[in-house]
Amino acid sequence: RKEVEQDPGPFNVPEGATVAFNCTYSNSASQSFFWYRQDCRKEPKLLMSVYSSGNEDGRFTAQLNRASQYISLLIRDSKLSDSATYLCVVNGRSSYKLIFGSGTRLLVRP
Amino acid sequence: ETGVTQTPRHLVMGMTNKKSLKCEQHLGHNAMYWYKQSAKKPLELMFVYNFKEQTENNSVPSRFSPECPNSSHLFLHLHTLQPEDSALYLCASSQEEEGSSGANVLTFGAGSRLTVL
Repeated sequence: RKEVEQDPGPFNVPEGATVAFNCTYSNSASQSFFWYRQDCRKEPKLLMSVYSSGNEDGRFTAQLNRASQYISLLIRDSKLSDSATYLCVVNGRSSYKLIFGSGTRLLVRP
Repeated sequence: ETGVTQTPRHLVMGMTNKKSLKCEQHLGHNAMYWYKQSAKKPLELMFVYNFKEQTENNSVPSRFSPECPNSSHLFLHLHTLQPEDSALYLCASSQEEEGSSGANVLTFGAGSRLTVL
């Protein structure tokens, strides 16, 4: 089983749609969870950290389910500029070692 | 300059060449990382330097040799690489707390795109 698993997509949605991605992780001791965004041929950039109680940043909502070992990202009112690959990131056995998922590709069409 | 800067941005080398990738962070962070990103594969952690000590070597072949002379600079020395080593090499930094059980946010450089002929 991969340490961090994501549906690769692509998710192809119209502008204004709501889209959700899930990510599962294997290490029950993981403490840190993030969503990063990576545009084509660019470096990953932090989108948001994921907190135990769930958190929201504008159109983006992240949730953590420790019992089922998954995190989710919800994007409301999708914009064309949201088109990117979304990387689920979880810390591994070493606290500072972040494990990246393969990413979920999102395409928002006009 | 701000953030994490990597040079060169693009590098083409033959299998017998020796080259180095350079990374510099201007964020005052105490941990630096090398990641490898190949097409259609997740980022792979190669090396971690935490408080200037190498704390992780993820079974990386010896043809890759890291160097961290201080907390702001990180190098990746390349020697007799193979074509399958062609990838995007990303440097990152973070501020880590001793004894912490969690990991902190990584700030990435723009990457060095390496092609091995």
